[in-house]
Amino acid sequence: AQRVTQPEKLLSVFKGAPVELKCNYSYSGSPELFWYVQYSRQRLQLLLRHISRESIKGFTADLNKGETSFHLKKPFAQEEDSAMYYCALRGRGGGNKLTFGTGTQLKVEL
Amino acid sequence: GAVVSQHPSRVICKSGTSVKIECRSLDFQATTMFWYRQFPKQSLMLMATSNEGSKATYEQGVEKDKFLINHASLTLSTLTVTSAHPEDSSFYICSAQYQVSSYNEQFFGPGTRLTVL
Repeated sequence: AQRVTQPEKLLSVFKGAPVELKCNYSYSGSPELFWYVQYSRQRLQLLLRHISRESIKGFTADLNKGETSFHLKKPFAQEEDSAMYYCALRGRGGGNKLTFGTGTQLKVEL
Repeated sequence: GAVVSQHPSRVICKSGTSVKIECRSLDFQATTMFWYRQFPKQSLMLMATSNEGSKATYEQGVEKDKFLINHASLTLSTLTVTSAHPEDSSFYICSAQYQVSSYNEQFFGPGTRLTVL
């Protein structure tokens, strides 16, 4: 069975502070990991995927297979980063199905 | 590009009636679409995978006869909630799969809020 855990429902930081949204997963194999973001009143959209190893909007995430984690980080939070963030896993050969975590609401305060 | 629409955005119905929700890929063809359900302050739970021209694949615990899925064309999948009851009230979200730079990516619709009275 595959599972994604996001331990924090809400994370509140000040503008300019570092951000780390935690994500841990459980999967017997090599999964694909993703971060999705949902801004207020907008649809869910892909932020980044671990395969691409890219930085999007200043966010990065490294897959740590030893700790089965895929934490999302940004060195300096901006007000426009306030949103709901979902970590998701796609297993190999699973028909491209995504398993989502429960999400973390990030609030960046001035 | 890769825009997915859902209709209606919000629906209120009486208990016992059936409700149909449409999911359309507007500028691409999608052989695979997905239907999710989201309860307040909870995660998206995959209900079923909709495959064009074949039967949908339902996740464990999802009643096929309750949630009818039809993927009649490469741009349209429909979810019909039959004999809806208050416990079916939820936010239903669809996504359509599209290949982007050799990756299969899901593009999400805006969701449909169903309220069953």
